[in-house]
Amino acid sequence: NAGVTQTPKFQVLKTGQSMTLQCAQDMNHEYMSWYRQDPGMGLRLIHYSVGAGITDQGEVPNGYNVSRSTTEDFPLRLLSAAPSQTSVYFCASHRGTSTDTQYFGPGTRLTVL
Amino acid sequence: GIQVEQSPPDLILQEGANSTLRCNFSDSVNNLQWFHQNPWGQLINLFYIPSGTKQNGRLSATTVATERYSLLYISSSQTTDSGVYFCAVEPRGSTLGRLYFGRGTQLTVWP
Repeated sequence: NAGVTQTPKFQVLKTGQSMTLQCAQDMNHEYMSWYRQDPGMGLRLIHYSVGAGITDQGEVPNGYNVSRSTTEDFPLRLLSAAPSQTSVYFCASHRGTSTDTQYFGPGTRLTVL
Repeated sequence: GIQVEQSPPDLILQEGANSTLRCNFSDSVNNLQWFHQNPWGQLINLFYIPSGTKQNGRLSATTVATERYSLLYISSSQTTDSGVYFCAVEPRGSTLGRLYFGRGTQLTVWP
């Protein structure tokens, strides 16, 4: 199993550009999430999904869109990038039981100029 | 929302030393996990421990849910233990898998 994969690893955008961060998992997990990590901070939840076709907002959803058309994929879209969105983005998946752990992808380092 | 506080924020050790990291949380939780973020940024789950004590090699963790804290013990530390240790909780009544993270403890182990 590849686990949770993310692409790209690094990205530089100009203010106002849009892009999609890709996330995929091959563990057949129902739950998937996107977090951002800023310097000196823990991870903060952006959006999450409890299954295909079902998404909801986390703590810091503004400026981001998600959709979940398949169990495997959970892309994160930046609609109009801003310097405040410079961060490291982590995707995670979870089987959806109360005793399960979360599995994290390797992260995408995004810089918005 | 729930508050998660970790201490100390930074810890510097000589190889072979022992250490204790603490996580306090402000409300009841369904789930508590400890993660290690290595110097390359990868997050690795160490323990799922909403209550009780678990051990895995040189690492062990204890959560006292009634007093709303968890401890991570690292014994005989090695340079490979360096990185950031995060505590993350899932509040009781929250959606499964929705985690709130502390700010982490940055651990540096010198040879």
